[in-house]
Formats: sequence, C-alpha cells, structure tokens
Amino acid sequence: AQSVTQLDSQVPVFEEAPVELRCNYSSSVSVYLFWYVQYPNQGLQLLLKYLSGSTLVKGINGFEAEFNKSQTSFHLRKPSVHISDTAEYFCAVRPGGYNKLIFGAGTRLAVHP
Amino acid sequence: DTAVSQTPKYLVTQMGNDKSIKCEQNLGHDTMYWYKQDSKKFLKIMFSYNNKELIINETVPNRFSPKSPDKAHLNLHINSLELGDSAVYFCASSPPERMGEAFFGQGTRLTVV
Repeated sequence: AQSVTQLDSQVPVFEEAPVELRCNYSSSVSVYLFWYVQYPNQGLQLLLKYLSGSTLVKGINGFEAEFNKSQTSFHLRKPSVHISDTAEYFCAVRPGGYNKLIFGAGTRLAVHP
Repeated sequence: DTAVSQTPKYLVTQMGNDKSIKCEQNLGHDTMYWYKQDSKKFLKIMFSYNNKELIINETVPNRFSPKSPDKAHLNLHINSLELGDSAVYFCASSPPERMGEAFFGQGTRLTVV
C-alpha cells in the first residue's frame, strides 16, 4: 500500500532563514509526487510537482523540491522564507494508474520575525 | 471568478440530521473529488468522479452519497449525521491529462453537535 510520511509535524523558523520540509513515500508502483500548501481557512494550492525527468523541480513562491528515488524522498526547500510562508504544507503521491492523491499528515511551517 | 466553489462554507447541525454540500467547478475538468480533512489536518480521499461516473469510493459509509448531475457539479449528501462526521470537506477537480494537479475549493467546515 502506498503511504506518505512527513517527518516533522511543526517547523519553526526565523524570517529569511532557509527551511527544509521532509517527505518520504512508500510505493510498490511508480508515483507522481506533489507538494501542496494550505493557508489558514483556505483550500489547498499546488506548490510543485514531480512527474518525470529532472529530479530537481521548482515551484511557486521560490520553493523547490528534489526527488530521490533511492531514498524514496521528496523534500521541500526554500533558501529564505518570509512571514507569508506560514502555512500547512502537504506532501502527496499519486500512484501511477490511480486517480487519487494520498497525502501526508502535513507540516506546519511557522515563520517568526 | 472562483474556480472550485463549495457551499456552504460553514455548517452546524445536530446528530441524526441529513445535510448536503454543493460543489461546482468552472474549469472544464472531467474529474472531481471529495476529500475529508479531520481535526488533525489529515486529508483523505472519499470519492472520485470522472465525467459523472464514480471511479473511487474509499470505503466511505453508505450514509455518504455523492451525486454528479453533470461534470461541473459534484454534491455530497450525508444522512444521519454523527459526531465523527465533524471535519472540513474539500471538493477538488483536475484535468484528465494532469491528474494529481488538483484544484481545491475553500472547504466546508461541518460541525455535528
């Protein structure tokens, strides 16, 4: 069965510091990988995706993620965060051939001044 | 112009009642979904529809009945509401060539008292 593990439930960080949100997945089939962001009281918004090709993918708002097949990881990074990046971040997989997303439990990114 | 809109945004009701949540998307997507987000922010797919046809039913109780009158609408009816149904319900849609890239509504916060 496919699953997604987000290793940190909360990540506090100071403004302009770098951040990494960790995500590991398990799947017996090929997967497509995604990061979504949820701002307070809003729906989810796609941040970036990995479907194939280059393992380093860039998304909106200066975020990027690296797909590592051997470590089954898809960690999200940003070199310098802003207060406005405070939100819940969800890693998700879409198992190949299945029309659904399997989400991790989310990581709360709290950016402090 | 809201891409995926849900109504109502908030719903407070008593145990045993029947309620509906409506969802409409104006993106021309073929696939629509219902996701449930519990109090710990965990997101899980409930249903997936493609062109009005049910594709995925993730072992959701029979009290939950989705209805898709056309491919732009996917409504969720819940019978005999229970305390455990309290959650935020998200409607989403995605284009067939980019499944996994889901566009989410703002969510409906259902509170059963």
